[in-house]
Amino acid sequence: AQSVAQPEDQVNVAEGNPLTVKCTYSVSGNPYLFWYVQYPNRGLQFLLKYITGDNLVKGSYGFEAEFNKSQTSFHLKKPSALVSDSALYFCAVRDGNTDKLIFGTGTRLQVFP
Amino acid sequence: EAGVVQSPRYKIIEKKQPVAFWCNPISGHNTLYWYLQNLGQGPELLIRYENEEAVDDSQLPKDRFSAERLKGVDSTLKIQPAELGDSAVYLCASSPSYGQGAYNEQFFGPGTRLTVL
Repeated sequence: AQSVAQPEDQVNVAEGNPLTVKCTYSVSGNPYLFWYVQYPNRGLQFLLKYITGDNLVKGSYGFEAEFNKSQTSFHLKKPSALVSDSALYFCAVRDGNTDKLIFGTGTRLQVFP
Repeated sequence: EAGVVQSPRYKIIEKKQPVAFWCNPISGHNTLYWYLQNLGQGPELLIRYENEEAVDDSQLPKDRFSAERLKGVDSTLKIQPAELGDSAVYLCASSPSYGQGAYNEQFFGPGTRLTVL
């Protein structure tokens, strides 16, 4: 069965420092991977996706993610964190058998001034 | 472009009462999803529609949950009767035609937070 794991419940980072939110996946077949962000009392917003091609994917708000097939990882990164980046981040994988999105449990990012 | 609209945003009911949630997807999006999000968890798919056809309802608890998308646009999710464990956020999402570009991202509404007392 397809799955994603987000090993950190919370990530704390100082404003201006680089940030990484980790995600590992388990799929049979080609992985189709997504990152979403959820602000309080709002729905999920799409950040970026990996379908094929370049392993470094650039997305919204300066975020990027690196697809690593050998490590089955798809970590979300940003070179310089902003306080406004503080939110809940979800990694997701599309199940090739059912075509549904399988979400991780989420990682809360806290950026301190 | 208007996003996915959901109403109500919040609903508090007593157990055993019925409740309904409404969703209006982004114009032109043929695929509509209902998700359940429990506190501290990622969303879990309840049902997926392609136009007016429910193509994946395997995770929908059919004894108490029902959904419809009669004209292939708006959708309603109903719970009858509600139980304490149904307290959660119910998210609606939409995406362009599923068959073509099955890797399109999904656009989510703000959700309905249900509290069952």
